[in-house]
Amino acid sequence: AQSVAQPEDQVNVAEGNPLTVKCTYSVSGNPYLFWYVQYPNRGLQFLLKYITGDNLVKGSYGFEAEFNKSQTSFHLKKPSALVSDSALYFCSVRDIGSNYQLIWGAGTKLIIKP
Amino acid sequence: DTEVTQTPKHLVMGMTNKKSLKCEQHMGHRAMYWYKQKAKKPPELMFVYSYEKLSINESVPSRFSPECPNSSLLNLHLHALQPEDSALYLCASSHPTGTSGNTIYFGEGSWLTVV
Repeated sequence: AQSVAQPEDQVNVAEGNPLTVKCTYSVSGNPYLFWYVQYPNRGLQFLLKYITGDNLVKGSYGFEAEFNKSQTSFHLKKPSALVSDSALYFCSVRDIGSNYQLIWGAGTKLIIKP
Repeated sequence: DTEVTQTPKHLVMGMTNKKSLKCEQHMGHRAMYWYKQKAKKPPELMFVYSYEKLSINESVPSRFSPECPNSSLLNLHLHALQPEDSALYLCASSHPTGTSGNTIYFGEGSWLTVV
């Protein structure tokens, strides 16, 4: 069965430090992977995606993610965290054979402390 | 800023009321979605329209009735809802064809409270 795991419910990082939000997946075939962010009382915003090509994907707001096929991971990273990065982050993978359906991780709450 | 616009932002309705949520996108997308999201949980897919035709209905109760008047508009008609239907309702859109790597873009959502 296809699945996405975000092993950390919450990640705490000091402002200015690098941050990592973890995501692992289980799919058959080539994965199409996405990261979304949800700020408090807001909708979901697309950050970045991996479809094919370079394993390091750059996205919005200085975020990047590294696709690792052998470890089936797609961790979200940022070199220097901002307090404004505090939000709920969701990793998702396209359901194989569907143009529409995404399989979602449970979400990780990122807290950046000044 | 999102290019998927949802109205109203907040809605409080009684269990006997009829109301509608509205969504509009101007990205030329031909697939539009309704999702339901409970607090701090991932969104749950409800409906997908592709080229104005209902493509997916995730066994949603009939008290939720979607409508796609044209390629830019999507409505969700609400009738006889239950308190457990209180949630954030998200509209989204994407290109329907091509690779499965199509990005789904979300609106800001409509906060629904059923009393």
